[in-house]
Amino acid sequence: DAMVIQNPRYQVTQFGKPVTLSCSQTLNHNVMYWYQQKSSQAPKLLFHYYDKDFNNEADTPDNFQSRRPNTSFCFLDIRSPGLGDAAMYLCATSSDGTSGGLTSTDTQYFGPGTRLTVL
Amino acid sequence: AQSVAQPEDQVNVAEGNPLTVKCTYSVSGNPYLFWYVQYPNRGLQFLLKYITGDNLVKGSYGFEAEFNKSQTSFHLKKPSALVSDSALYFCAVRDMNSGYSTLTFGKGTMLLVSP
Repeated sequence: DAMVIQNPRYQVTQFGKPVTLSCSQTLNHNVMYWYQQKSSQAPKLLFHYYDKDFNNEADTPDNFQSRRPNTSFCFLDIRSPGLGDAAMYLCATSSDGTSGGLTSTDTQYFGPGTRLTVL
Repeated sequence: AQSVAQPEDQVNVAEGNPLTVKCTYSVSGNPYLFWYVQYPNRGLQFLLKYITGDNLVKGSYGFEAEFNKSQTSFHLKKPSALVSDSALYFCAVRDMNSGYSTLTFGKGTMLLVSP
């Protein structure tokens, strides 16, 4: 089945130790998103890729970076995790048909998430 | 700017009774509206969406939602609740006229269905 896959499902890291979270998709969607979700709160968009174009939200800390080497994969790098970065990280994808802007109506499909613990 | 309000942190309903989870929105143009459900330690699952057309939208697992433009609302409903419907529900909006916008989520409403 076509889907959005996130690895690992649970990640434990130490304060200040870089960590990378992985997302892959078999939907062939051109847009990929990374959200941060803290306990029982709304998902907060960190950034997204429209094809290869990277779009950072204004309030996303510099500590968070992302890479998208190809259509199927997207990575979230946290360069120096702090205790406040402990959260669920959600990857999502969508198929947006308008060049240069997100004007399609297509639904975002989410992966199962990676729960990050910082010790 | 676009925004979503879910006025209830929690909704309690007995199994077999109808349920409603409320959502109101604010956009400058016409809205795209979505409902997602999240079970513990899982990602968000798409339930239904309103783009245009019939104001009553039917979705997964027997859920439906009614778009009301005059009240800027998009309440989620189900005629008969199941214990397995207990989860966190998010309403989300996207402004179709903004030219460039991502999804804005409400803060979520926890639905608890008692046996």
